[in-house]
Amino acid sequence: QKEVEQDPGPLSVPEGAIVSLNCTYSNSAFQYFMWYRQYSRKGPELLMYTYSSGNKEDGRFTAQVDKSSKYISLFIRDSQPSDSATYLCAMSAVRGYGQNFVFGPGTRLSVLP
Amino acid sequence: DGGITQSPKYLFRKEGQNVTLSCEQNLNHDAMYWYRQDPGQGLRLIYYSQIVNDFQKGDIAEGYSVSREKKESFPLTVTSAQKNPTAFYLCASSIVTGQPQHFGDGTRLSIL
Repeated sequence: QKEVEQDPGPLSVPEGAIVSLNCTYSNSAFQYFMWYRQYSRKGPELLMYTYSSGNKEDGRFTAQVDKSSKYISLFIRDSQPSDSATYLCAMSAVRGYGQNFVFGPGTRLSVLP
Repeated sequence: DGGITQSPKYLFRKEGQNVTLSCEQNLNHDAMYWYRQDPGQGLRLIYYSQIVNDFQKGDIAEGYSVSREKKESFPLTVTSAQKNPTAFYLCASSIVTGQPQHFGDGTRLSIL
């Protein structure tokens, strides 16, 4: 079983739609849960992160963590064409060394005007 | 502004040549990382460093070398032993290992 699995996409939605991006993981030691946004030919940008379980909201973005189900989600409300990018989930154990910080393979999102 | 600077943005390597990619951070982070990203694929860890004068191999270290002589700098050398070096290389840093990582804008390496 892979450590992190992410909806493969690609995903195309009309402008204004609500987008749901999801990852599942297997390592119960993970405590930090992150979402990155990567535009073409750019480095990943840290969008949001949460420590342990719960929800976090930042503008149009909401991150949810359900540790009991080992499932994390990123919701984007009122999606815009500028949200078109690849979204990577990531997670780590506290003071996780190299291999205890893992990234999902990414979901490519296109928001159509 | 604090951040991570990678240079150059584009680099070309001749057969049998070693090339060095630069990564500098002014975030005062202890941990630094190098990843390789191939088209349509996820990030693969090459090397990471938890602290100055220390570094550890990642999943795909063969054909690469690093040094960490200063806290703010973590250069990556792609040696001639790396037979398939064409890729997008990303440097990242974090306060300590396990904390969220921040990335530079990458170096795209191609073979002449």
